[in-house]
Amino acid sequence: QSALTQPASVSGSPGQSITISCTGTSSDVGGYNYVSWYQQHPGKAPKLMIYDVSNRPSGVSNRFSGSKSGNTASLTISGLQAEDEADYYCSSYTSSSTPDVVFGGGTKLTVL
Amino acid sequence: QVQLQESGPGLVKPSETLSLTCAVSGYSISSGYYWGWIRQPPGKGLEWIGSIYHSGSTYYNPSLKSRVTISVDTSKNQFSLKLSSVTAADTAVYYCASLRPDYGPNDFDYWGQGTLVTVSS
Repeated sequence: QSALTQPASVSGSPGQSITISCTGTSSDVGGYNYVSWYQQHPGKAPKLMIYDVSNRPSGVSNRFSGSKSGNTASLTISGLQAEDEADYYCSSYTSSSTPDVVFGGGTKLTVL
Repeated sequence: QVQLQESGPGLVKPSETLSLTCAVSGYSISSGYYWGWIRQPPGKGLEWIGSIYHSGSTYYNPSLKSRVTISVDTSKNQFSLKLSSVTAADTAVYYCASLRPDYGPNDFDYWGQGTLVTVSS
């Protein structure tokens, strides 16, 4: 069960937009509309930001959006704010072995 | 709103069994949600441990499957994790989390604050 591939770090200035990619295979990201994104601030529990590729849970800012093309999913944050600085993890359902869940390695977002 | 709280020993000896409990409040554990455990080694990423569904069906990370048991205790409104034969590689912050039945199997919407478990003699 391999982790999904994310860039180790991305950065952007306040007000800009950034995109974080999450690459998997046809057995996970590409095969199902079950991609989610989590935000984690230091010392805190992860928070669900996007579920089922592009849906936002209640209370999550519409500055966060998700999409998918083939085996790669993306999280876009527009109008970057200082509070967005955090680690971001993607996750997918996978059928590569027993049906289960796999996470990406995480991406550190720095707001310059 | 669902609230989750992990509890259990913060220190476990190598080869012993790690046991954690997740107390659920604000919601009846048998009402609709599903439940899961995720861990995070210090300074590293998230790793799914397993999930349990209403039917009692459990799904475990293949890399941990031989050592993991997740169960639900409806009388105490809590669910539990047992991980046997632990080594230093099992040192991590352990999170319990909930899964909405109308979301996907990887969409953990509520999380506990996490508990650090260190494996050391």
